[in-house]
Amino acid sequence: QLQLQESGPGLVKPSETLSLTCTVSGGSISSSSYYWGWIRQPPGKGLECIGSIYYSGSTSYNSSLKSRVTISVDTPKNQFSLNLRSVTAADTALYYCARQTSSNHFDYWGQGTLVTVSS
Amino acid sequence: DIQMTQSPSSVSASVGDRVTITCRASQGISSWLAWYQQRPGKAPKLLIYAASSLQSGVPSRFSGSGSGTAFTLTISSLQPEDFATYYCQQGNSFPLTFGGGTKVEIK
Repeated sequence: QLQLQESGPGLVKPSETLSLTCTVSGGSISSSSYYWGWIRQPPGKGLECIGSIYYSGSTSYNSSLKSRVTISVDTPKNQFSLNLRSVTAADTALYYCARQTSSNHFDYWGQGTLVTVSS
Repeated sequence: DIQMTQSPSSVSASVGDRVTITCRASQGISSWLAWYQQRPGKAPKLLIYAASSLQSGVPSRFSGSGSGTAFTLTISSLQPEDFATYYCQQGNSFPLTFGGGTKVEIK
């Protein structure tokens, strides 16, 4: 059974960089059929796609975040990562990693990790 | 960006009721639509993809329909475990976008 697990600091200071890693187990991140994505959810609010990456390194980012986001992949470790620069309180959210199918829906999700931006 | 609008934003229903949730896209997305269920404190769970295809393991009381700009999710007979928030998501173009959610509450 495929599993995804987010990890990283739960508290980030304003103007700093939020860094999260998603570890994939029970399957290979190098599968040719899938992208690997990041989605976030501010407390009590809806879902927002941040971006996604293919195992080859090809990326797609939400245009509203593109200037601050980098998603990278580490195939030997079966991991992919999110860096979000210059964070503000508006970036406080539950951050999920997920597997994105060729039909652009998300069929496997991590449990999510809460990141709070505060000094 | 394609905007996804769900209605209603919340619905109160009883066990056994039939519930229908609507999702509209700001432009045509063919059948590139998925539905998710999110229970409190949990990650979203994929229910329906390609507008009407049931994800493996999802009960058959869930069904989806529609194409173009108008879509529906129907729960034929609401069960206690179905009280949750439901989201639609378009997969036609980037950035992928979600609807605002519909909360199904106990009447």
